[in-house]
Amino acid sequence: EAQVTQNPRYLITVTGKKLTVTCSQNMNHEYMSWYRQDPGLGLRQIYYSMNVEVTDKGDVPEGYKVSRKEKRNFPLILESPSPNQTSLYFCASSRQGINYGYTFGSGTRLTVV
Amino acid sequence: DQQVKQNSPSLSVQEGRISILNCDYTNSMFDYFLWYKKYPAEGPTFLISISSIKDKNEDGRFTVFLNKSAKHLSLHIVPSQPGDSAVYFCAALNSGGSNYKLTFGKGTLLTVNP
Repeated sequence: EAQVTQNPRYLITVTGKKLTVTCSQNMNHEYMSWYRQDPGLGLRQIYYSMNVEVTDKGDVPEGYKVSRKEKRNFPLILESPSPNQTSLYFCASSRQGINYGYTFGSGTRLTVV
Repeated sequence: DQQVKQNSPSLSVQEGRISILNCDYTNSMFDYFLWYKKYPAEGPTFLISISSIKDKNEDGRFTVFLNKSAKHLSLHIVPSQPGDSAVYFCAALNSGGSNYKLTFGKGTLLTVNP
């Protein structure tokens, strides 16, 4: 089944404790991206990757890092999480081209206390 | 600066009637538009899209209309079913941009009452 898999689905952590949210896709998509969803703000892009070893900032990159060493994986790294990073995170992937849209993962609900 | 706006946070309709969800955009460089549907505890799923060279695209019960001069699009669901109850996101893309980025609206919660 074609899908984007995120782990974990739920995570509660403490301020300052480094964490990684994994994302993997099995569709051989070139493009991958991370979004966060917050009440009243919709979906905002954090980082994106056009292909392996090519990453760039989205609209809200502060406090996050990413890497794209393999085509299928695009982990989101929070080096020192803060409470304002409490959010619902979605990973998405796509083939290049305007007709394809994104395939989203099921989301990771992160709470930073 | 919100480039994609969904001004109705929620909409409630009766089963069998038409649901109309609206979306406005400000960036004239957007040339492709998509609607996504999201159920609780799931990721958004693609519903329907439209290119700026068209003014209408239809897929079963779902039709998207685009008015480029007004920078407005709408999603029509006919007839509405209780299973359509979800959050609907409008998204826009500048296909000529360097980042294949979808810009999303804040979403509209549709409730279809039996």
